[in-house]
Amino acid sequence: GAGVSQSPSNKVTEKGKDVELRCDPISGHTALYWYRQSLGQGLEFLIYFQGNSAPDKSGLPSDRFSAERTGGSVSTLTIQRTQQEDSAVYLCASSPLTSRETQYFGPGTRLLVL
Amino acid sequence: RKEVEQDPGPFNVPEGATVAFNCTYSNSASQSFFWYRQDCRKEPKLLMSVYSSGNEDGRFTAQLNRASQYISLLIRDSKLSDSATYLCVVNNQAGTALIFGKGTTLSVSS
Repeated sequence: GAGVSQSPSNKVTEKGKDVELRCDPISGHTALYWYRQSLGQGLEFLIYFQGNSAPDKSGLPSDRFSAERTGGSVSTLTIQRTQQEDSAVYLCASSPLTSRETQYFGPGTRLLVL
Repeated sequence: RKEVEQDPGPFNVPEGATVAFNCTYSNSASQSFFWYRQDCRKEPKLLMSVYSSGNEDGRFTAQLNRASQYISLLIRDSKLSDSATYLCVVNNQAGTALIFGKGTTLSVSS
């Protein structure tokens, strides 16, 4: 079946612009996660959605970052007033309720802020 | 102390070699442990979970030492296709997400 999909695959933007990244999780997966991976760094947790519960936003690095998940499926990560240090690969993952910690990752969005 | 620490390598080994990676984690309350594999410019993929009793999947053996907060991965009879970055992963304190190490790079050559 279809895996996690993300769009766009690559995004180049100018400093100060806003960007929106999209994630389509695997159908039926109740949990959705956003991570980012900077060059040479490990994955950094950003935000977690589980069903209709309040999201865990503890990993968001600043108030310029926000995310929403509509209808329990598609999620968008928004970065406002982008900075050069926001350049990274943004990865989305989803997991089923029965195996919450087995996460399936999408291919990521490579963001470059000039 | 970082939450999950790994030797970044690289480990350069010939085909057929046995190689071991180690990882330490700081949160003694962590309950779930994994090894993920990440190929260059690709997303991470689950390699195997790590259980207290140790577990094996073909050429791969994972072990957990809770007292020392230490996780290991042993790869026997290395193949060229094993070349990748291996990520040590534990769950966070809330159990809501995974904490990834920076990874250990393995290069297997013929």
